[in-house]
Amino acid sequence: DGGITQSPKYLFRKEGQNVTLSCEQNLNHDAMYWYRQDPGQGLRLIYYSQIVNDFQKGDIAEGYSVSREKKESFPLTVTSAQKNPTAFYLCASRTGGSYGYTFGSGTRLTVV
Amino acid sequence: DAKTTQPPSMDCAEGRAANLPCNHSTISGNEYVYWYRQIHSQGPQYIIHGLKNNETNEMASLIITEDRKSSTLILPHATLRDTAVYYCIVNVSGGSNYKLTFGKGTLLTVNP
Repeated sequence: DGGITQSPKYLFRKEGQNVTLSCEQNLNHDAMYWYRQDPGQGLRLIYYSQIVNDFQKGDIAEGYSVSREKKESFPLTVTSAQKNPTAFYLCASRTGGSYGYTFGSGTRLTVV
Repeated sequence: DAKTTQPPSMDCAEGRAANLPCNHSTISGNEYVYWYRQIHSQGPQYIIHGLKNNETNEMASLIITEDRKSSTLILPHATLRDTAVYYCIVNVSGGSNYKLTFGKGTLLTVNP
């Protein structure tokens, strides 16, 4: 079955370490997105990519980096420059011309 | 993007219809109304979208007022599994800069 896979589901890191969150889709979707969600809040857009080798900053890109070397993959790196990295991270994809997103199940990152 | 206003929470009895309102008084002529829902600790799920006509699918119905300044999502027979946060979003349908902005949504609690 097609879908989006985010791994791992739970991730723990020490403060000051960079960490990379995985997002893979086999839906042949063109666009991919990363959102962050804090408790009781809506989703905030970090980065998005419409095509391979191209991506744009969202509303809260500071302290994050991404790459889009393959259509299927859009990894997110949370760097040590991100002041409050503990959050729920969601990856989504969308095929060109369609209206809806497909979301992954999320990665809950805890930095101690 | 146009902004939306939703009540923070609503209750509904199991088996009854759940009617979730959304105000979007500044919506533009080319912007659609989208509804997503997010069950606790999962990724959001696309429900339905519409431009100006009422829409129905296997999950829900979407009623948009004639002036398009508000809409209502209807879950005809709510079940306990429909307890979730429901997001109303307005956005253009596509394009190279397509991205959705999620607010805090409405927490719908379906009670037995």
